[in-house]
Amino acid sequence: EVQLVESGGGLVQPGGSLRLSCAASGFTFNDYWMTWVRQAPGKGLEWVANINRDGSETYYVDSVKGRFTISRDNAANSLYLQMSSLRPEDTAVYYCARDRLSGSHSRWGQGTLVTVSS
Amino acid sequence: DIQMTQSPSSLSASVGDRVTITCRASQSISTYLNWYQQKPGKTPKLLIYAASSLHIGVPSRFSGSGSGTDFTLTISSLQPEDFAIYYCQQSFDTRRTFGQGTKVEIK
Repeated sequence: EVQLVESGGGLVQPGGSLRLSCAASGFTFNDYWMTWVRQAPGKGLEWVANINRDGSETYYVDSVKGRFTISRDNAANSLYLQMSSLRPEDTAVYYCARDRLSGSHSRWGQGTLVTVSS
Repeated sequence: DIQMTQSPSSLSASVGDRVTITCRASQSISTYLNWYQQKPGKTPKLLIYAASSLHIGVPSRFSGSGSGTDFTLTISSLQPEDFAIYYCQQSFDTRRTFGQGTKVEIK
């Protein structure tokens, strides 16, 4: 069974850092692009970043460029999001998702909540 | 970035109604358009990919159409379990973007 399990969320002060992890199982992890999507409380979905199969290509939404870094460890079947210089507007549930060839996401984790507040 | 604009932002409908949601891209995205359903407290579910292909397990009352910049999600006969928020997403650009969502509420 395909599973994506996020961890690492929590309360952090503005300007702080946090590293999110997504543990993947039930599929050949290095066959897939992976994505982070976030959802602020009561708001819509926002695509954050994605990474290709071997980690050599990464893409970001403008609002996190230079502050967030997506990475992966294919040997550990894990996806990461290193977040720094966090702002209150980064407060959201962060989901990891597996990409299909079409670029859509049929598998999502349950999400991890990041709260940026003093 | 490619901007995705959905309309309406919300709608009220009755069980059995035919519902149509539109999504417009700021530039041509061919048929690289996906639709998701999200219920409160739940993760998004893929409904339609590549503009018109039904994801496995999705009821046939859901359909998608369009190409270029204008797309439509149609629910042919609204069921009680379809009350949710629907999002479109473009996957033409590697930097994906979502629409702002359309909330389908009970009339």
